[in-house]
Amino acid sequence: DSGVTQTPKHLITATGQRVTLRCSPRSGDLSVYWYQQSLDQGLQFLIQYYNGEERAKGNILERFSAQQFPDLHSELNLSSLELGDSALYFCASSAPGRDRANNEQFFGPGTRLTVL
Amino acid sequence: EDQVTQSPEALRLQEGESSSLNCSYTVSGLRGLFWYRQDPGKGPEFLFTLYSAGEEKEKERLKATLTKKESFLHITAPKPEDSATYLCAVQAYSGAGSYQLTFGKGTKLSVIP
Repeated sequence: DSGVTQTPKHLITATGQRVTLRCSPRSGDLSVYWYQQSLDQGLQFLIQYYNGEERAKGNILERFSAQQFPDLHSELNLSSLELGDSALYFCASSAPGRDRANNEQFFGPGTRLTVL
Repeated sequence: EDQVTQSPEALRLQEGESSSLNCSYTVSGLRGLFWYRQDPGKGPEFLFTLYSAGEEKEKERLKATLTKKESFLHITAPKPEDSATYLCAVQAYSGAGSYQLTFGKGTKLSVIP
């Protein structure tokens, strides 16, 4: 158990709908990262938050957005869903390092999203 | 653009048959190289971080090494429970105080009893 929790475990929805995925980081970790994992693309970085502020963006679509709340939990919002959005979505957290660089990321169990 | 290539894509070993997994990378300003293990339908599990060429780390039957262009994950006398997908990731500075991970597509290891 990494200490990172994600809900829900599974989500089945229809095209055009909107869903919210939730993540609680490990106690004490300030950074939260969101990743998408599909069979053909592997693990793709979407976005990072650090202590409530957006820190970096990766391959995140404009239909997707995220936020990190004062209690440090994070939500990933996916809207106007398409079939191709079906994937595993992972949240990871890390502690601030001496130079913020080298601390490992610990991953949650993921949310499996199926868009029908 | 940072790139990580893992080989082979899949590897089948007999129990006790040692082998190595390769991770080659091109990155500007490598800050760290990470190895993760991922079981089907689960989140990646952290194994090792390597920071500089020549560094080695061990954990049970696994040993990770790093050169300037690649990393190897050596598996000695594997057991069926070592079956998983092994992911390699490089960490580099991406601006605005952020350090991102770029993952390879992984090597799927199957250890046959």
